[in-house]
Amino acid sequence: GDSVTQMEGPVTLSEEAFLTINCTYTATGYPSLFWYVQYPGEGLQLLLKATKADDKGSNKGFEATYRKETTSFHLEKGSVQVSDSAVYFCALSGAGGTSYGKLTFGQGTILTVHP
Amino acid sequence: SAVISQKPSRDICQRGTSLTIQCQVDSQVTMMFWYRQQPGQSLTLIATANQGSEATYESGFVIDKFPISRPNLTFSTLTVSNMSPEDSSIYLCSVSTGPSGNTIYFGEGSWLTVV
Repeated sequence: GDSVTQMEGPVTLSEEAFLTINCTYTATGYPSLFWYVQYPGEGLQLLLKATKADDKGSNKGFEATYRKETTSFHLEKGSVQVSDSAVYFCALSGAGGTSYGKLTFGQGTILTVHP
Repeated sequence: SAVISQKPSRDICQRGTSLTIQCQVDSQVTMMFWYRQQPGQSLTLIATANQGSEATYESGFVIDKFPISRPNLTFSTLTVSNMSPEDSSIYLCSVSTGPSGNTIYFGEGSWLTVV
């Protein structure tokens, strides 16, 4: 079945540091890929997504590129802020059929940014 | 877009009781899903709420424990039955739209604590 693997956490950075959170996946066909963010005490928010190979999703300074050849969707940000402290989830939605609309999540990565 | 309202947003429940969570969407959607997020964990799909028929449960989840109703295209309920402390979780409603089902929205979640 489909699966998503995120880098081990937690991740602790200083403000303005460069962020990478690795995400790799296993799926048949061409899934859609997502990054979600969950701020402390809040619900889940879509950060960005990509629906086909080589697509780049971007939002709020975060970027991720759908790499079919390496089955990866790594999240990056050039300069993190304290307000980026949250849990980040990589997820995929399978390519149609019974997978329509369903998400498979990675284990989540806790990011803490210090001033 | 779709706006999802969940009720209750938070609750503290007694062991052995049951609680019903409501999910209301501001537009008609075909696909609705229920997820569980246990403390410090990722999200796991409980079931697909099918309009006019029985829900489709994922492995490890059963109808007796998590009965689901879907009377129309904008509303669904999830009941957590005979609760134990292990059921303390965030329960999230999700809908998917668009031709490929990869436009996915989440409610704010229902944060349940069982004592």
